[in-house]
Amino acid sequence: DVVLTQTPLSSPVTLGQPASISCRSSQSLLHSDGNTYLSWLQQRPGQPPRLLIYKLSHRFSGVPDRFSGSGAGTDFTLSISRVEAEDVGIYYCTQASQLPYTFGQGTKLEIK
Amino acid sequence: QVHLQESGSGLVKPSETLSLICTFSGDSIDTYYWNWVRQPPGKGLEWIGYIHNSGRTNYNPSLKSRVTMSLDTSKNQFSLKMSSMTAADTAVYYCARLIYAVSIDFWGRGTMVTVSS
Repeated sequence: DVVLTQTPLSSPVTLGQPASISCRSSQSLLHSDGNTYLSWLQQRPGQPPRLLIYKLSHRFSGVPDRFSGSGAGTDFTLSISRVEAEDVGIYYCTQASQLPYTFGQGTKLEIK
Repeated sequence: QVHLQESGSGLVKPSETLSLICTFSGDSIDTYYWNWVRQPPGKGLEWIGYIHNSGRTNYNPSLKSRVTMSLDTSKNQFSLKMSSMTAADTAVYYCARLIYAVSIDFWGRGTMVTVSS
């Protein structure tokens, strides 16, 4: 199985400041069709996960443009340009390049 | 906006079988894969498996021997059955839609399943 390792596990951030979360894969996520099926999810307290970024860097419908995704191969990053109070929650990377689909262990974003 | 809603047994006895149904809005077409994902209390996410519009399934090998999924497009529903439940299976169970060559895009609100006698 593909193991996704996120760092940091906890990220205290000042409002208005940038934040970034790293996700490292145990194997390349480059699919045979040329796409990299690495997505980022946000889970606010008491809510289901919500898709933010898919295929490495595509923002999902309705996601603010302060969220962006980047990376290649086995190293990926979710960046938030200016953190807002509503961004508090747990962020997961997830891959659908190889079965079984897997998730990172999650990074808790909190406000300082 | 796609809507998914889980329903089913919230309390299951050890060794018994869990049965859940997910009702979704809209049509089921060939680019859709219907998934189950679970999250133990305070922990991360685990993919259980999917069923395609064609009826083809794929299960997580760690759960494969205990899982069965089915799809009823006439009712816009798909289901999960998981046998031989133990306390380790206590979790919030989510249903979710995956679009081929994209990602899991929409999730249900989840249903808490507790395994206890």
